Amino acid sequence: ETGVTQTPRHLVMGMTNKKSLKCEQHLGHNAMYWYKQSAKKPLELMFVYSLEERVENNSVPSRFSPECPNSSHLFLHLHTLQPEDSALYLCASSPEEGQPQHFGDGTRLSIL
Amino acid sequence: QQQVKQSPQSLIVQKGGISIINCAYENTAFDYFPWYQQFPGKGPALLIAIRPDVSEKKEGRFTISFNKSAKQFSLHIMDSQPGDSATYFCAANSGSARQLTFGSGTQLTVLP
Repeated sequence: ETGVTQTPRHLVMGMTNKKSLKCEQHLGHNAMYWYKQSAKKPLELMFVYSLEERVENNSVPSRFSPECPNSSHLFLHLHTLQPEDSALYLCASSPEEGQPQHFGDGTRLSIL
Repeated sequence: QQQVKQSPQSLIVQKGGISIINCAYENTAFDYFPWYQQFPGKGPALLIAIRPDVSEKKEGRFTISFNKSAKQFSLHIMDSQPGDSATYFCAANSGSARQLTFGSGTQLTVLP
């Protein structure tokens, strides 16, 4: 049990679909993150939330839309994705920004 | 200046051998250097971390060596076991930064 749970674990969608990824943490952390992990590339930070406020957006295309309704939940809404968006999407949390992060097991996303 | 360069990309070691993974950085403001271990189908998990006030930190078979003047740090896995086969990521952060900067990862295979 990692303390950070992501659903679904796998998602296949067409380019015109709309779907959402969900992340839930039970660690009492105040910061949450979305990362993209592609083969043979460094982890790419997408978004950072601290106390439910977005504090970082690393030039992510608008087809990715995050939502943090409370400090335990984080969503990533997807629409009109491209084949190059196929990757493992990881959620993480930490007590405060910049502190050691605990990762979920990710959602494997495939765009047809 | 925010990059962390990690090598090698892949590493094959015999059981009982020593696995060594190296990372180099440019940003002298970095003051926290964690290593993450990722098994297939799982998210990265914090393995061991060091701050630059010490040159070495050991936890069981895992040791971080830190060379502040060379701006390099490395992970040594002693008596490597097949169960250590995973992808290892180094990372770095500074107190003022909101995010970790990750290396590109090393895929370690320990042969039985």
